Amino acid sequence: GEDVEQSLFLSVREGDSSVINCTYTDSSSTYLYWYKQEPGAGLQLLTYIFSNMDMKQDQRLTVLLNKKDKHLSLRIADTQTGDSAIYFCAEKAGRRALTFGSGTRLQVQP
Amino acid sequence: DAGITQSPRYKITETGRQVTLMCHQTWSHSYMFWYRQDLGHGLRLIYYSAAADITDKGEVPDGYVVSRSKTENFPLTLESATRSQTSVYFCASTTGGELFFGEGSRLTVL
Repeated sequence: GEDVEQSLFLSVREGDSSVINCTYTDSSSTYLYWYKQEPGAGLQLLTYIFSNMDMKQDQRLTVLLNKKDKHLSLRIADTQTGDSAIYFCAEKAGRRALTFGSGTRLQVQP
Repeated sequence: DAGITQSPRYKITETGRQVTLMCHQTWSHSYMFWYRQDLGHGLRLIYYSAAADITDKGEVPDGYVVSRSKTENFPLTLESATRSQTSVYFCASTTGGELFFGEGSRLTVL
């Protein structure tokens, strides 16, 4: 079955760039997503990328996709304390239900 | 207001009791999902529904029952709660693109 893996924790200083990595196993994935979860809240879509793209940029966010290695990354430029949250990678492969990773907790130190 | 709402937000119950978590969405999205979120496991799919009266098992369906008599509602029932079902439950809906999440229902089974 599908599997999505992420490292559990990342700590950066305010103003630095953050890079959150994700690997997935399903080569037929069509969409890959990044969701953000703030404490006590549900998940909100940050950005997504089609599997036929290798990069997508949206303001401070850059998503890189290496389809050959099944590796997805999210780069947050000029990380702020408000970026502290859990970030989930997710993939979709044909069926409607997404498969999520275990989430990466980003801690931004002032 | 339009959106996806879950109730109750917090629930404490005892082992063996029946519990129902409610989910209501106002967008007429055809697809609805129930996930549970546990530390170290990310989000795991319990059940999903492609339309009214159509439901299907996800990754961890044992001990749960769902129904979808109306498009806008997707209740999740724990027929006989167990301690292992202590978790945060998220309902989500989509037409096929972005997945929209509710705020979550935190369930504690004593």
